[in-house]
Amino acid sequence: QKEVEQNSGPLSVPEGAIASLNCTYSDRGSQSFFWYRQYSGKSPELIMFIYSNGDKEDGRFTAQLNKASQYVSLLIRDSQPSDSATYLCAVTGSGGYQKVTFGTGTKLQVIP
Amino acid sequence: DAGITQSPRHKVTETGTPVTLRCHQTENHRYMYWYRQDPGHGLRLIHYSYGVKDTDKGEVSDGYSVSRSKTEDFLLTLESATSSQTSVYFCAISESKAGEETQYFGPGTRLLVL
Repeated sequence: QKEVEQNSGPLSVPEGAIASLNCTYSDRGSQSFFWYRQYSGKSPELIMFIYSNGDKEDGRFTAQLNKASQYVSLLIRDSQPSDSATYLCAVTGSGGYQKVTFGTGTKLQVIP
Repeated sequence: DAGITQSPRHKVTETGTPVTLRCHQTENHRYMYWYRQDPGHGLRLIHYSYGVKDTDKGEVSDGYSVSRSKTEDFLLTLESATSSQTSVYFCAISESKAGEETQYFGPGTRLLVL
């Protein structure tokens, strides 16, 4: 079982819709959770982090964390073609914040 | 932009040759990391550093060594490159943001080992 799992996609949504990206993790001691966006040929860019159960909102992005279910998600409201990218979920394990484990990413396509 | 540069940005080399990749940061971050990214595997930690001359292994450290003689530079060396080390290599730094350590990435180095 992978430590951090994401559906590879592609996830296709129409412009203006809500995109929902999901991630599960196996280490119950995980402390912090991150979402990165990566455009093709570019480096990952941090867009959200969350460490408490519940929702965290930043502009069109909402991260949701449920530690009991070991589940973290990212919602993108009013999706735009510029949101088309691969979204990486990352988790800091119980071994310390230096060791961050990444999922393989979900490719999102926003259709104009 | 966390003030991270990587050099070279692209490199083609032959099996068995040594290769050194450089990561340079300008903001005095204590923690620096080397990752590789491959299709189907995502980003995997090779080595990281928590200070000058202080380094530790990640999950895929075999075949790689690192050095950090100055705060601003973190070097990754492939002693004898193999085709399995063809990958995109990212350097990252760790920065405290709102009480949480978050990682920011450099632009990456594309390495092709023939």
